[in-house]
Amino acid sequence: GQQVMQIPQYQHVQEGEDFTTYCNSSTTLSNIQWYKQRPGGHPVFLIQLVKSGEVKKQKRLTFQFGEAKKNSSLHITATQTTDVGTYFCAGTGNQFYFGTGTSLTVIP
Amino acid sequence: DAGITQSPRHKVTETGTPVTLRCHQTENHRYMYWYRQDPGHGLRLIHYSYGVKDTDKGEVSDGYSVSRSKTEDFLLTLESATSSQTSVYFCAISGGGGGTGELFFGEGSRLTVL
Repeated sequence: GQQVMQIPQYQHVQEGEDFTTYCNSSTTLSNIQWYKQRPGGHPVFLIQLVKSGEVKKQKRLTFQFGEAKKNSSLHITATQTTDVGTYFCAGTGNQFYFGTGTSLTVIP
Repeated sequence: DAGITQSPRHKVTETGTPVTLRCHQTENHRYMYWYRQDPGHGLRLIHYSYGVKDTDKGEVSDGYSVSRSKTEDFLLTLESATSSQTSVYFCAISGGGGGTGELFFGEGSRLTVL
């Protein structure tokens, strides 16, 4: 079946440092979505990327979709304590296939 | 937040007992999903529905069944709970199917099977 791998599994950063999580699929994806889950909460949709090579920004967050539509990344510039949580990518083929997530800890 | 409620939010049960989790939506979305979340595994799809009485299996469907008799309700049943089914279960809804449209998640149901 379709597999979406995400690395790293955990990341600890000092507040103000940058953070990147990577998502790789074994097959070509139609779209890719990113979600954030705060500790004890539920996943919340952040963004969807559709086009090959697409780059989208949301304030300090930059999302990229690879040219082959098999990988994606989320980069956070100058992390803040409010960025704490687990970030999931979800590749979409005929369904949503979630990566294993990257848990981000921000040290004040 | 989208109108999704899950019940119960917490449940402790014993091995071998049946358990039903309920997902209720007020958004009139066609697509509904049940996921389980376990450390190191992310979110794994159990079953999904693309309409009333239309359901299909996900990647970890063994030991689970679902029913959708109304647009707003999607039930997940563990016929005979096992300790491996201890998990956090999330219901999600989407206006678009086939992996399109964003997913809106419920608050989750934490199930412990002793």
